Amino acid sequence: DAGVTQSPTHLIKTRGQQVTLRCSPKSGHDTVSWYQQALGQGPQFIFQYYEEEERQRGNFPDRFSGHQFPNYSSELNVNALLLGDSALYLCASSFLGQVVLGEQYFGPGTRLTVT
Amino acid sequence: AQRVTQPEKLLSVFKGAPVELKCNYSYSGSPELFWYVQYSRQRLQLLLRHISRESIKGFTADLNKGETSFHLKKPFAQEEDSAMYYCALSGRSYNTDKLIFGTGTRLQVFP
Repeated sequence: DAGVTQSPTHLIKTRGQQVTLRCSPKSGHDTVSWYQQALGQGPQFIFQYYEEEERQRGNFPDRFSGHQFPNYSSELNVNALLLGDSALYLCASSFLGQVVLGEQYFGPGTRLTVT
Repeated sequence: AQRVTQPEKLLSVFKGAPVELKCNYSYSGSPELFWYVQYSRQRLQLLLRHISRESIKGFTADLNKGETSFHLKKPFAQEEDSAMYYCALSGRSYNTDKLIFGTGTRLQVFP
């Protein structure tokens, strides 16, 4: 099991463009969460997907949207990119039925640079 | 408001010295507290959680509800402990394991 995988590794976009980031969860996991990690900051929760629906959302504008597919993989879409969207985007997977909340398995991240 | 505070950006110690990474939280309810660690060129991973009352790699953390703290401790630091450490909390909300992270503390252990 390769664990959580994310693509692409790095991405450079221009202000105003749109971007799609992809994530495949760890085998056996059914829940995907997305986090944004700006330089020098801790990860900030964007949203979480389970059964192809957004379960909870953090304090991010509607420009940030997502999707989960029947195979549990997920996409994060960001429209009308701003310079401030430059960050490391982390995907984390978990199994909703696990007894102990909070253990999430993180991917290596996608580094997005907006110029 | 839900918040996790890690007051130290950097903590430098010599090998064999005791280590304490501080974490304070703000949460109206019963939070679950965790420490995540990121070693150089590796992904973020769970180190330990308060509910398990476990010791991992010699690290322990006690949840102090009175002081709203969850400090990470190790009596004798090793060079391989050098990493970025994040304190995180999760609320006891039904069917969600959203994590709120602190800003992290970089631990440097010198030989």
